[in-house]
Amino acid sequence: GAVVSQHPSWVICKSGTSVKIECRSLDFQATTMFWYRQFPKQSLMLMATSNEGSKATYEQGVEKDKFLINHASLTLSTLTVTSAHPEDSSFYICSASPPEQYFGPGTRLTVT
Amino acid sequence: GENVEQHPSTLSVQEGDSAVIKCTYSDSASNYFPWYKQELGKGPQLIIDIRSNVGEKKDQRIAVTLNKTAKHFSLHITETQPEDSAVYFCAASKSGNEKLTFGTGTRLTIIP
Repeated sequence: GAVVSQHPSWVICKSGTSVKIECRSLDFQATTMFWYRQFPKQSLMLMATSNEGSKATYEQGVEKDKFLINHASLTLSTLTVTSAHPEDSSFYICSASPPEQYFGPGTRLTVT
Repeated sequence: GENVEQHPSTLSVQEGDSAVIKCTYSDSASNYFPWYKQELGKGPQLIIDIRSNVGEKKDQRIAVTLNKTAKHFSLHITETQPEDSAVYFCAASKSGNEKLTFGTGTRLTIIP
């Protein structure tokens, strides 16, 4: 139980374009989902907390207009990186809370 | 906010020996302490967790101890196997469905 999926697993996009990453809880409902970013050989840094049906809460220093988060249902949250730049290249990981946090497999974003 | 320190950053042990990873936290309001195992290119996997009303928890070869007075908790892996090689992260939060603050990670290598 407690399986979280992410799609896509990896994506390459051109600078200035937008990319959407989906996070799904497959066998449970998650009122709360979290989005993290992880740079190579570093720890996970929380970007935002997403609650179903309400606006996401962003951590200090994370641009909410650049990283758009939508939690439209109890099993789906999306992260859209708008106007991506090479410095946005990273490993993006979501987690869902039933209440312990279970993580998705991650999405590697490369911006060229 | 919460600050979690983790030691050591790298650890190599002979197969069959035990491995211990230690974490300290700063916020006395933290009550939930999970441990995650992350393999290369994958999302973190919850391996064990402990709440503040318990001093020790064990699951087969893995155990976690918590000293709430001293604000530190430890992961113990006994009878290590090659498949235990990975990066391990400790984390802390007020509860399971609130944001996690991660330690910096420990790269564990099991030497056959």
